[in-house]
Amino acid sequence: GIQVEQSPPDLILQEGANSTLRCNFSDSVNNLQWFHQNPWGQLINLFYIPSGTKQNGRLSATTVATERYSLLYISSSQTTDSGVYFCAVETNSGGSNYKLTFGKGTLLTVNP
Amino acid sequence: ETGVTQSPTHLIKTRGQQVTLRCSSQSGHNTVSWYQQALGQGPQFIFQYYREEENGRGNFPPRFSGLQFPNYSSELNVNALELDDSALYLCASRGSRNTEAFFGQGTRLTVV
Repeated sequence: GIQVEQSPPDLILQEGANSTLRCNFSDSVNNLQWFHQNPWGQLINLFYIPSGTKQNGRLSATTVATERYSLLYISSSQTTDSGVYFCAVETNSGGSNYKLTFGKGTLLTVNP
Repeated sequence: ETGVTQSPTHLIKTRGQQVTLRCSSQSGHNTVSWYQQALGQGPQFIFQYYREEENGRGNFPPRFSGLQFPNYSSELNVNALELDDSALYLCASRGSRNTEAFFGQGTRLTVV
């Protein structure tokens, strides 16, 4: 099945700093989503971005489908940005066209 | 528009028992999928239901089973609970394949 690798696994920032999270995937995808998991476990939708670039406030994302990677940018980080960020993909290849495959996540800690 | 809701939020069961978790899908969504998230890991796909039929299954044993009802709500049943079944169980709904998935807040199951 498709492999999803996220980097870095852990990231510690001072409030106000910028960061880039990366998601590499091993096959062509028709769906890619970025999530932020809050301390209570809920996955909060950040971006639905199988290709192209989107921005939402301090967050933006870019997916380059032909090169099989996606980037999540966080600017002017705040302590409330802390948590785990997941990339999840869906592919039509190999009979797996019905599920999201998640990476292991990036644990972001923003210190005041 | 109501989001995805799950019940209960927390549950403690004894090894060997059976458990039923419930999920109400987002309004207008006919596809529901279930994921298991062990501590420190990304969510793993269990199965998916589309219009009351299971149409995809991950690498989970048959003691994990489910149902989807005419109103598209869903249940996850786990028989003969094992200690390793302790995890966060997440439900996601979507309007159709290859569209954005939205997750509920999860049910945290502890097996003792």
